[in-house]
Amino acid sequence: ETGVTQTPRHLVMGMTNKKSLKCEQHLGHNAMYWYKQSAKKPLELMFVYSLEERVENNSVPSRFSPECPNSSHLFLHLHTLQPEDSALYLCASSQDRGNTEAFFGQGTRLTVV
Amino acid sequence: GQQLNQSPQSMFIQEGEDVSMNCTSSSIFNTWLWYKQDPGEGPVLLIALYKAGELTSNGRLTAQFGITRKDSFLNISASIPSDVGIYFCAGGRSNYKLTFGKGTLLTVNP
Repeated sequence: ETGVTQTPRHLVMGMTNKKSLKCEQHLGHNAMYWYKQSAKKPLELMFVYSLEERVENNSVPSRFSPECPNSSHLFLHLHTLQPEDSALYLCASSQDRGNTEAFFGQGTRLTVV
Repeated sequence: GQQLNQSPQSMFIQEGEDVSMNCTSSSIFNTWLWYKQDPGEGPVLLIALYKAGELTSNGRLTAQFGITRKDSFLNISASIPSDVGIYFCAGGRSNYKLTFGKGTLLTVNP
């Protein structure tokens, strides 16, 4: 299944680094999402984009900065992260923002050292 | 915030056994989704439910949307080793926001 593709799969970064996560969807969907998955916690919705417009910023710290240049691509720019930001970051897409049936990418395993 | 109570947290079963897990909430949902996540991968959608009382199957998997709209269950029949993974329920309303359970870790012993 290559409907939603995330790169890189793994990332180790220092607290002073700047990096970006990339997500691409080939499903023709209009809504894209960033989720954070930490151990023993439910999936946490971070950002939602609908037709390239950000419609949700779920109280996420400013050290996480999303970008959606078009309906097929979504980025998450990272800078001055903390060790507690280490987690699996999942991108998802859905037909539109009124559709709750989300399809996920494989995730980026992020480790902040 | 909204919470889903998913149980059990983990299950250890023998190959061939049937499995049942469920999610409950104090709030009503319009959609219930069940996902499976393998280690190092993202969640994969198994079954989507859209109507109260709906019973839907996908191969050996069967899920039901509770009549009160506050719960859902997932059954797996005749489990096989590749059923191993974490199963998540998710409740949705008339927007894009999904509320996820904490997951059920399933281990199948051959």
